[in-house]
Amino acid sequence: QVRLVESGGGLVKPGGSLRLSCSASGFIFSDYSMHWIRQAPGKGLEWVAFISGSGDATYYVDSVKGRFSISRDNAKNSVFLQMYNLRADDTAVYYCARDPNTGVAAHWGQGTLVTVSS
Amino acid sequence: EIVMTQSPVTLSVSPGERATLSCRASQSVGSNLAWYQQIPGQAPRLLMYGASTRLTGIPAKFSGSGSGTEFTLTISSLQSEDFAVYYCQQYNGWPHTFGGGTKVEI
Repeated sequence: QVRLVESGGGLVKPGGSLRLSCSASGFIFSDYSMHWIRQAPGKGLEWVAFISGSGDATYYVDSVKGRFSISRDNAKNSVFLQMYNLRADDTAVYYCARDPNTGVAAHWGQGTLVTVSS
Repeated sequence: EIVMTQSPVTLSVSPGERATLSCRASQSVGSNLAWYQQIPGQAPRLLMYGASTRLTGIPAKFSGSGSGTEFTLTISSLQSEDFAVYYCQQYNGWPHTFGGGTKVEI
């Protein structure tokens, strides 16, 4: 069955960097687009970034443009979110989600917590 | 950016009753509207896409309607497992934006 497992979260100081990973199994990874979506503690969902199955198309929410970079390695069935210059308002659980090329986040991982604090 | 507004913020419903949740877009998103359910402590799960198409395995008690800027999610005969937070999301344009959520409580 579809399985998505995020990793790489943790505590980082403001201005620091972190790289999140999402390992996928149970489907042909390169056939699917992927999203990163985050949820600040006690808050709602915020879409963060998208990458197409081939990796040639990416999109970002304005608040992370120039600081975050989404990428994928189809040979390793993994998608990544490289985060630079982290701020306190980046603190959230980060979910990766599979998109069957319709635009929706059809399957989600369990998330990884990123805490930005001094 | 398309702003999604959900109402009400909190909906108090008795078990067995029907819940009606609203979602409004700041500009037309056609039928590119999805609904998600999030039970506390769990990841969200997709219920519906294309405004009214249930994902495989989602019971028929969940129904969606609307197009353009006005959308509705109806949950008939609420059971304990349906009490959760529900989010709408437009995927008509970038960035894909979520509404603030509606908490359905007992």
